[in-house]
Amino acid sequence: DSGVTQTPKHLITATGQRVTLRCSPRSGDLSVYWYQQSLDQGLQFLIQYYNGEERAKGNILERFSAQQFPDLHSELNLSSLELGDSALYFCASGLAGNEQYFGPGTRLTVT
Amino acid sequence: GDSVTQMEGPVTLSEEAFLTINCTYTATGYPSLFWYVQYPGEGLQLLLKATKADDKGSNKGFEATYRKETTSFHLEKGSVQVSDSAVYFCALTNPNFGNEKLTFGTGTRLTIIP
Repeated sequence: DSGVTQTPKHLITATGQRVTLRCSPRSGDLSVYWYQQSLDQGLQFLIQYYNGEERAKGNILERFSAQQFPDLHSELNLSSLELGDSALYFCASGLAGNEQYFGPGTRLTVT
Repeated sequence: GDSVTQMEGPVTLSEEAFLTINCTYTATGYPSLFWYVQYPGEGLQLLLKATKADDKGSNKGFEATYRKETTSFHLEKGSVQVSDSAVYFCALTNPNFGNEKLTFGTGTRLTIIP
C-alpha cells in the first residue's frame, strides 16, 4: 500500500460527458502528479501541483483541468469526453524532486 | 527533451534464470533514475532508485547501477521467480533542471515460467 488513494476505481461514461477523478496524497507529501496510461501513448505526464499551486504541465488537453485543495487532495476534471480518453489515470505524490508513489489508478471507459 | 529507451518486450524466462532489462536515457546533467513495477491490475510500485553516478539501487533481489558514461540503468536479478512476472518501467526525473515529472520508458513485460 503506497498510501495514495484514488476514487473511483472504475468509471464508465458516455461521450460528451464530464467526470471528476479524486486523489488523496500520502501524508506529508506536498506534490501531486497526474499521469495517463494508455496502450498507444504509454505513461504520459499530465500535470503537477505543489502545495495548492500548479507547478508543471505536460500533455494535458484543454478539455482536462485539475486543482489541489488546501487539504492537499487533488481532483482531475475531464470534460467533453471522447472515446480516445479511455485510459488508466494515475495519481502520484511525493516530496518535490524525489521519488513518487502511485495510487491504484482510475480506469475510465468512455462508450 | 529528456527521454528513456527500454528494451522491447515481452521477455519470457524460466524460473531461477538471470534477468537483464536494458534501459538507456537522454537527459541534461545528472537526472535521478528509477525502476517501477506494475503487477496486473495494480498501480506502479517503486522498485529501486539511484540519484547520482555509480550509485547502485537494490530491492527484493533486483539491482541497477547508474552509469553516466553509458547513460544506462539496466535492471538485473540473479534468479527470477514466478512472482516477478509484471511490467517493468524505467524512468527519470531531472529536478536540477526544473523537471520533477517522471519520464517513462515504454515498459517491458516479463513473464516467468515455472
